[in-house]
Amino acid sequence: QVQLQESGPGLVKPSETLSLTCTVSGGSFISYYWNWIRQPAGKGLEWIGRIYSSGGTKYNPSFKSRVTMSVDTSKSQFSLNLSDVTAADTAVYYCARVSYFDGSGYSPLDYWGRGALVTVSS
Amino acid sequence: DIQMTQSPSSLSASVGDRVTITCRASQSIRNYLNWYQQKPGKAPNLLISSASSLESGVPSRFSGSGSGTDFTLTISSLQPEDLATYYCQQSYGMSLTFGGGTKVEIK
Repeated sequence: QVQLQESGPGLVKPSETLSLTCTVSGGSFISYYWNWIRQPAGKGLEWIGRIYSSGGTKYNPSFKSRVTMSVDTSKSQFSLNLSDVTAADTAVYYCARVSYFDGSGYSPLDYWGRGALVTVSS
Repeated sequence: DIQMTQSPSSLSASVGDRVTITCRASQSIRNYLNWYQQKPGKAPNLLISSASSLESGVPSRFSGSGSGTDFTLTISSLQPEDLATYYCQQSYGMSLTFGGGTKVEIK
């Protein structure tokens, strides 16, 4: 069974960089699209972006200037860096998998991590 | 970017009721529409993909329909364990977007 697990600091100071890693186990890492989604407390889901196992990325334009994603295929991990954070970036951050692109659109987010709460506060 | 509008934002229904949630896309997304269930404190769980394909293990009381811009999630007979927030999500083109969510409460 595929499992995803987010890890990283739970507290980040304003103006600093939020860094999270997602570790994938129980399945292949190669040839999948790996995504980050966040959810502020009591609010809805917001897609941050994705990275393909070979390193290609697509970011939500709302984050484009602040977000960077990377992969480490040797460790079956992918990472999120979100710079210059504010209190508005306080949220539960999820990682999730998309299996394929069919030429017109993507398959659904079929496996999710349990989420990591990141609080931005001094 | 494609915007997804979900309604209602919340509803309260009795056990056994038929519940319908709608999702509208700002442009045609063909059938690239997925539905997720999120229970309190948990990650979202995929219920329906490609507008109407029920995922393995999902009870048959859940169904999805629609194409183009208008989509529906139906729970044919609401059960206590269906207490959750439901999200639609489009996956057409390069970006993904979610609807605002529908919180389902049991009367």
